[in-house]
Amino acid sequence: LAKTTQPISMDSYEGQEVNITCSHNNIATNDYITWYQQFPSQGPRFIIQGYKTKVTNEVASLFIPADRKSSTLSLPRVSLSDTAVYYCLVGGTDTGRRALTFGSGTRLQVQP
Amino acid sequence: DTEVTQTPKHLVMGMTNKKSLKCEQHMGHRAMYWYKQKAKKPPELMFVYSYEKLSINESVPSRFSPECPNSSLLNLHLHALQPEDSALYLCASSQAGSGQGMRDYGYTFGSGTRLTVV
Repeated sequence: LAKTTQPISMDSYEGQEVNITCSHNNIATNDYITWYQQFPSQGPRFIIQGYKTKVTNEVASLFIPADRKSSTLSLPRVSLSDTAVYYCLVGGTDTGRRALTFGSGTRLQVQP
Repeated sequence: DTEVTQTPKHLVMGMTNKKSLKCEQHMGHRAMYWYKQKAKKPPELMFVYSYEKLSINESVPSRFSPECPNSSLLNLHLHALQPEDSALYLCASSQAGSGQGMRDYGYTFGSGTRLTVV
């Protein structure tokens, strides 16, 4: 299973765009990249998932280069409520190969 | 229903007690998971059930005993725990496997049970 590496922490201000990059050098052909957000004392929450190029939803965008060895979660115009830990997971869709292991995550602190 | 419900939300137990954590989902997911999360650490996988059968046990001590009575329910039975077992216990569910290369939407997590062992 692909190991992921993310920055431990990031700081931003309200209204700014935040980009969090995740490295996953040994991603497999059938692996998807999924990002989760976690607030204190809550379970992680699905944000976005992608396979290649760019995916956008109402919350975030996910940029994946052609080699798929990294991905970037982009949060437009963050607010205080976006302060959380963000995890990227890489894995397939079969239970045995599913991305089961969380990396250290990125702790995002948004200041007023 | 797109939720995973965990009960209780908080639990304090003594080291000689027996208690159970409960997890329920009605999304038709056939894979269910227990994770343990210590403060400021990522969730750590404990158990995976696929189609009600235990498929992964991450070398968890026997004082933790999982049970999957049906496709909607997952229990974690606790006995003779130690203070270091105090943590947030998270349950999650997902599609069990939609074929290689097919997209799914990852895990749906519950809010967890905050366990304190005294």
